[in-house]
Formats: sequence, C-alpha cells, structure tokens
Amino acid sequence: AQRVTQPEKLLSVFKGAPVELKCNYSYSGSPELFWYVQYSRQRLQLLLRHISRESIKGFTADLNKGETSFHLKKPFAQEEDSAMYYCASSGNTGKLIFGQGTTLQVKP
Amino acid sequence: EPEVTQTPSHQVTQMGQEVILRCVPISNHLYFYWYRQILGQKVEFLVSFYNNEISEKSEIFDDQFSVERPDGSNFTLKIRSTKLEDSAMYFCASSPQYSNQPQHFGDGTRLSIL
Repeated sequence: AQRVTQPEKLLSVFKGAPVELKCNYSYSGSPELFWYVQYSRQRLQLLLRHISRESIKGFTADLNKGETSFHLKKPFAQEEDSAMYYCASSGNTGKLIFGQGTTLQVKP
Repeated sequence: EPEVTQTPSHQVTQMGQEVILRCVPISNHLYFYWYRQILGQKVEFLVSFYNNEISEKSEIFDDQFSVERPDGSNFTLKIRSTKLEDSAMYFCASSPQYSNQPQHFGDGTRLSIL
C-alpha cells in the first residue's frame, strides 16, 4: 500500500538557516511525488512536483529512489516560509496520499 | 487565476442529519476529488470522480457518503446520516485533463457534528 511518512511534526529554524523537511514514501510502482504548502488561513497549494525538477520560492526537492525519499530543501529560510508542508504521492489512479505534515516555523 | 470554490466554509449539523457540501471545480478540469482532514490528523483521500462516475473510493467512503455532479459545474459530497466522527475539514480538489496532473484545492468546509 502507498504510504508517505513525514517524521517531524514541527521544524523550527532561524531566518537564514538551511531547511530540510523530510519525506519518505513506500510504493511498489513509480509514484509521482509532490510537496504542498498551506500558509496560515489559506488553501493547500502545490509547491513542487518531482517530475518538473524546478525550484519554487527557493525550495528544491530531489527524488531519491534508492532511499525512497523526497526531502524538501531550502538553503536560506525566510520568515514568510513559515507554513504547514505536506508531502504527497500519487500512483496511477490520481488519488493523493499525504504525509502527516510538518509545521515549519522560521524565527526572526 | 481560476480557483476551486467550496461552500459553506463552516457547517454545523446535528448528528443523524444529512449534510451536503458543495464545490465548484475549475471549469476545464475533468477529475474531481474529495479529501478530509480530522483535526490533528493527516489529509485523507475519500473519493475521485471522472466522467460522471466514481473512479476510486477509500474505505472511509461507505454507504453514508455519495457524490454527484448535478449540473456540470457543481460537485457535491453528501453525508446521509452524520456521525460525530464525521467532524472534519473537507477539501474538494480538481485536476486537468489527465490524472496525475497537480490537483488544485479549495479552501475547505469545516463540518462540525453536534
């Protein structure tokens, strides 16, 4: 069965520090991996998908099939990055399987 | 930018009553989804809908739940006889022509069962 694990409920860093939000997945096929972000009082928004290999708002994520990971990274955190981050996987049926979510708190 | 809209934003209902949550997906999208998030828990898939029929549903989506696209623009989730454990945030999402395209989410409806 598909499963997504985000081991950290809360990650607290100072502004300017590097950030890594961890995500591990289990899926027998070739999943699509996504990072969604939810800023305070806003809707879930797509941040990144592994297939596009792009950098959004300074965030990147690399799919590591050997480690079944899709960690989200940013070299220098900003206060406006404070939000809830969800890793999600999608198989060939389209449904998203979400991790528990990690709250990122960037302190000034 | 077009958005998925959900109404109401908050619904309070007595246990045992029927409730209908409404969603207007993005107009050219063809795949529609409902998810829910119980307070403090992860976002969980409920059902996907394509071409006027359910394409997949989770174990949560039992006989008390149904979905409908009554008029080509709305996409509704009905819970026939609500239970206390149905209290959650319900999110609607839609995606473009093919599955596995990024899903666009609405703001959610907070359902409170008393």
